[in-house]
Amino acid sequence: AQSVTQLGSHVSVSEGALVLLRCNYSSSVPPYLFWYVQYPNQGLQLLLKYTSAATLVKGINGFEAEFKKSETSFHLTKPSAHMSDAAEYFCAVSEDGNKLVFGAGTILRVKS
Amino acid sequence: EPEVTQTPSHQVTQMGQEVILRCVPISNHLYFYWYRQILGQKVEFLVSFYNNEISEKSEIFDDQFSVERPDGSNFTLKIRSTKLEDSAMYFCASSDRTPIGSPLHFGNGTRLTVT
Repeated sequence: AQSVTQLGSHVSVSEGALVLLRCNYSSSVPPYLFWYVQYPNQGLQLLLKYTSAATLVKGINGFEAEFKKSETSFHLTKPSAHMSDAAEYFCAVSEDGNKLVFGAGTILRVKS
Repeated sequence: EPEVTQTPSHQVTQMGQEVILRCVPISNHLYFYWYRQILGQKVEFLVSFYNNEISEKSEIFDDQFSVERPDGSNFTLKIRSTKLEDSAMYFCASSDRTPIGSPLHFGNGTRLTVT
């Protein structure tokens, strides 16, 4: 069965600092992996996806994630946080590219 | 950019009442989904729908739930007799699944409150 663990329900960084949001997954087959972002009162917006091409995936708004099979990880990073990055971030896994299994989410706070 | 739209954004209903949540998926998408998020919990899969039938459903999607594509544009989720525990944010999503692994596009959600 698939599962996703996001370490840290809340992460706080200073503006300009590195953002690192952690995601570990469990899957019985090579997975499809996604990061979604949810701004207040909005839906889930796709940040980036991994579908077995390059292991380093670049997404929107300067975010990227690296697929590490040996660590079963898909951590999300951004070199320099911006105030507008404050939101909740969800990692998700899919074995068939259809049904998504989500992590619990990480709320990112950016301090000025 | 085309988007998934959901109506209403908020719905308050009394326990035992029927509710219909509406969604307009992206026009060229063929795969449709409902997810829900109870406050403070994970986003959970409810059901997927393709070619006018349910392709997969979760344990949550019991006989109280049904989905329908009544015309060429709308996709609805009906809860026949709401319970307090149905209070949640309900997200509709669509995908073209070409290629496999194409992402789901989500709407802004309907917040359902059952009193």
